[in-house]
Amino acid sequence: SQTIHQWPATLVQPVGSPLSLECTVEGTSNPNLYWYRQAAGRGLQLLFYSVGIGQISSEVPQNLSASRPQDRQFILSSKKLLLSDSGFYLCAWSDGGRETDTQYFGPGTRLTVL
Amino acid sequence: AQSVTQLGSHVSVSEGALVLLRCNYSSSVPPYLFWYVQYPNQGLQLLLKYTSAATLVKGINGFEAEFKKSETSFHLTKPSAHMSDAAEYFCAVSGTGSNYKLTFGKGTLLTVNP
Repeated sequence: SQTIHQWPATLVQPVGSPLSLECTVEGTSNPNLYWYRQAAGRGLQLLFYSVGIGQISSEVPQNLSASRPQDRQFILSSKKLLLSDSGFYLCAWSDGGRETDTQYFGPGTRLTVL
Repeated sequence: AQSVTQLGSHVSVSEGALVLLRCNYSSSVPPYLFWYVQYPNQGLQLLLKYTSAATLVKGINGFEAEFKKSETSFHLTKPSAHMSDAAEYFCAVSGTGSNYKLTFGKGTLLTVNP
C-alpha cells in the first residue's frame, strides 16, 4: 500500500531564516506531487505541483520554491522566511493523468515564523 | 476557471441529528467533485468523489452526496451524526483541462453536541 511522509511535523523559525520541508511517497511510482498551504479560515492554497522529476509548476508567486530531486521526493524551500509564511503545509500525491484521480494527503507540517 | 463555495463556515448539530454541509461549485467544464475531511492537526482524507457516473455518491463513515447540475451543488449529508464526525470538511472541484489541480472551498467546521 502507498504511504506519504512529511517532516518535520512542527517547526518554529525566525523571520529571515531558510526553510526546507520534505515529503516522500512510498509504494507507487511516478506520482503527481503537490504542495498546499492551509491558513486559518482560508482553505487550502495550491503552491506547487509536479508531474515528474525536475518538473515543477508554480501556482502562486512568492518567496517559496519547490524541487523534485527523485521520483518520490518533493521538497519545499525558502531562502528567507516571512511572517506570512506561517501555516500548515500539506503534501499530496495522486496517480496522475486524470482529473478524477484522488489526491492523498500527508500528515502536514505546522510552520510558525516568529 | 473553477471555484467552490461552502455555505456556513461552522455547522453545529446534536448527536443523532442529520448532518447537511453545503457546497456549490462553478465550472466552465463538466466538474469532478470531492469531499475531504480533516481532523485537528492532520492531513485530509477523502470521503467521496463524483466523477460523472451515479449522481448519488456514497462514501466512508456513512456520508453521501448528491450531484445536482441544475443547482450546481454537491451537498454532503449523513442521516445521524456521531461525536466522531466532528472535524472540518472541505469540498473541492477539478475538471478537464484543470491540469490535475483541485480547487478547494474554505471549509466547514462541524461540531457535534452530545
